[in-house]
Amino acid sequence: KAGVTQTPRYLIKTRGQQVTLSCSPISGHRSVSWYQQTPGQGLQFLFEYFSETQRNKGNFPGRFSGRQFSNSRSEMNVSTLELGDSALYLCASSSSGGGTNEQFFGPGTRLTVL
Amino acid sequence: AQSVAQPEDQVNVAEGNPLTVKCTYSVSGNPYLFWYVQYPNRGLQFLLKYITGDNLVKGSYGFEAEFNKSQTSFHLKKPSALVSDSALYFCAVRDYNTNAGKSTFGDGTTLTVKP
Repeated sequence: KAGVTQTPRYLIKTRGQQVTLSCSPISGHRSVSWYQQTPGQGLQFLFEYFSETQRNKGNFPGRFSGRQFSNSRSEMNVSTLELGDSALYLCASSSSGGGTNEQFFGPGTRLTVL
Repeated sequence: AQSVAQPEDQVNVAEGNPLTVKCTYSVSGNPYLFWYVQYPNRGLQFLLKYITGDNLVKGSYGFEAEFNKSQTSFHLKKPSALVSDSALYFCAVRDYNTNAGKSTFGDGTTLTVKP
């Protein structure tokens, strides 16, 4: 089975621009979560989608949004980029979304905002 | 609310020695606990989990973890460390009624194993 894939792997943007990141979960997985990883803040939960519905949301401003498609692929969008948005963005998928399931992570998208 | 603490930013051990990476947690109900490892420029990889049952859980690459309910701890251990174990380790917790997508992670512990 192919793992979780994320595209692109690296992005460089300037302040004020917007960006869209993509995540393809493991086949059959319906839960997709997004995390922001920075050296100072660690892993911060952004949101989770399950069967095309946002099920959980972290404490991020409205500039961060996402969606999930019927094939479980997910996209994350960040509008009006700020320098502080520079981070590694990780996507993780889980099979049924039940609490006992571990998550499988993609390699991440490294976003640099100049 | 759920939270995780990894009290050590860095753990250094010599190859062949036992290693311990500490984790304590706080949840309102029964916890589900996980350990993940991250190598440079990679995503997190699942190592092991505690859901219920035996307090000693065995996982990938020879790692194990001991669940201690009274001390609210879930320390990661390995009897004999390898240089290749050097990486960033994350403990994660989830309350029993929280779904898989919303895990709370600790800040991570960098493990360095020296030859």
